[in-house]
Amino acid sequence: NAGVIQTPRHKVTGKGQEATLWCEPISGHSAVFWYRQTIVQGLEFLTYFRNQAPIDDSGMPKERFSAQMPNQSHSTLKIQSTQPQDSAVYLCASSDWGGSAEQFFGPGTRLTVL
Amino acid sequence: GDSVTQTEGLVTLTEGLPVMLNCTYQTIYSNPFLFWYVQHLNESPRLLLKSFTDNKRTEHQGFHATLHKSSSSFHLQKSSAQLSDSALYYCALSTLSGGLSGKLTFGEGTQVTVIS
Repeated sequence: NAGVIQTPRHKVTGKGQEATLWCEPISGHSAVFWYRQTIVQGLEFLTYFRNQAPIDDSGMPKERFSAQMPNQSHSTLKIQSTQPQDSAVYLCASSDWGGSAEQFFGPGTRLTVL
Repeated sequence: GDSVTQTEGLVTLTEGLPVMLNCTYQTIYSNPFLFWYVQHLNESPRLLLKSFTDNKRTEHQGFHATLHKSSSSFHLQKSSAQLSDSALYYCALSTLSGGLSGKLTFGEGTQVTVIS
């Protein structure tokens, strides 16, 4: 079991550029979550999918952030027109359908917007 | 909405002494799941403890916590801290529906440093 895979591990973009972050959940897990971690804000929920369907995107900045899960093996988080305040570690987590509720986190993508 | 409060931002303690990290939560749901996640330097968070049963102690790797719904608390304790316990600790809340995994609402985190 390779765990949750996130690519790239590091990404540097210029202000105004687009960034796409990838997540491959643990095989067989039906729920995928995206979180953002910064020193100032800590860990913040962004959005999540269950069986590829979007369930809750209440944490997503509405205008520039979007997430998709086109198939059960990967999800993407896209940030358009990146701003310096988007700099953070973006964490993807997955969990299974059963009631254990444990979420397994990937290593994260560190996004730096210059 | 849901919220989690961790009152200690930084905790420094000597190896061998007990540690207690405070966690209180607010939610309108009567059956929340509470978690403690630990994050070591340059690693991602991993689950340390979880509970949804009122007044039942849960233990793992020398740590323990008891969910008290009457006081909306889920404090983390360990009787004897080790150097390897130095890490960032997050308390988190999830409100599940039908046993399905829901989003986590995290507290601010407590950075624990254990010194010899």
